[in-house]
Amino acid sequence: QKEVEQDPGPLSVPEGAIVSLNCTYSNSAFQYFMWYRQYSRKGPELLMYTYSSGNKEDGRFTAQVDKSSKYISLFIRDSQPSDSATYLCAMSEGGGNKLTFGTGTQLKVEL
Amino acid sequence: GAVVSQHPSRVICKSGTSVKIECRSLDFQATTMFWYRQFPKKSLMLMATSNEGSKATYEQGVEKDKFLINHASLTLSTLTVTSAHPEDSSFYICSARPLDRRHGDTEAFFGQGTRLTVV
Repeated sequence: QKEVEQDPGPLSVPEGAIVSLNCTYSNSAFQYFMWYRQYSRKGPELLMYTYSSGNKEDGRFTAQVDKSSKYISLFIRDSQPSDSATYLCAMSEGGGNKLTFGTGTQLKVEL
Repeated sequence: GAVVSQHPSRVICKSGTSVKIECRSLDFQATTMFWYRQFPKKSLMLMATSNEGSKATYEQGVEKDKFLINHASLTLSTLTVTSAHPEDSSFYICSARPLDRRHGDTEAFFGQGTRLTVV
């Protein structure tokens, strides 16, 4: 079993839709949870950062962490074609430890 | 956000030659830089952790003599793929962790990646 599981997609939605992206994990020691956006042939860009359980909102993006279920989510409201990219979840035990990434979910927002 | 510059963005080399990839933090200092490898539709796989002024820490299965890492300053780390073979063809990405941890201990900024093709 992989430490972090993420559905690779592709996920195709119409413009304006609410997108839900998810990851599950097995390591209960993970405390820091991140979402990165990666455009084709580019490096990942940090979108959201959350410590422990709870919600965090930034503009059209909301990150949720449920440590009891070992489940994290990223919601994108009013999705735009420019949101089309691969979204990677990443997590860490903290204290400067390395990041463990999911495989990424490819999202396509269509006009 | 902080900027990490990775160079070159694309490189094609002949089998048996060596290739050097640079990773620079442009507007911040980073004691720690990371080197990843990414295969198509696969996750980022950490290769090694590079600390300024000391030897890099390699992940299990990564040949340190093949993937030479040098972190000579707080703003520059280099990855040299020695005696490259076609199976080394991949997307290599670096990230740098700022000294100023405004967002916590695990914040890291990524370079734009280097597409290496060995022919």
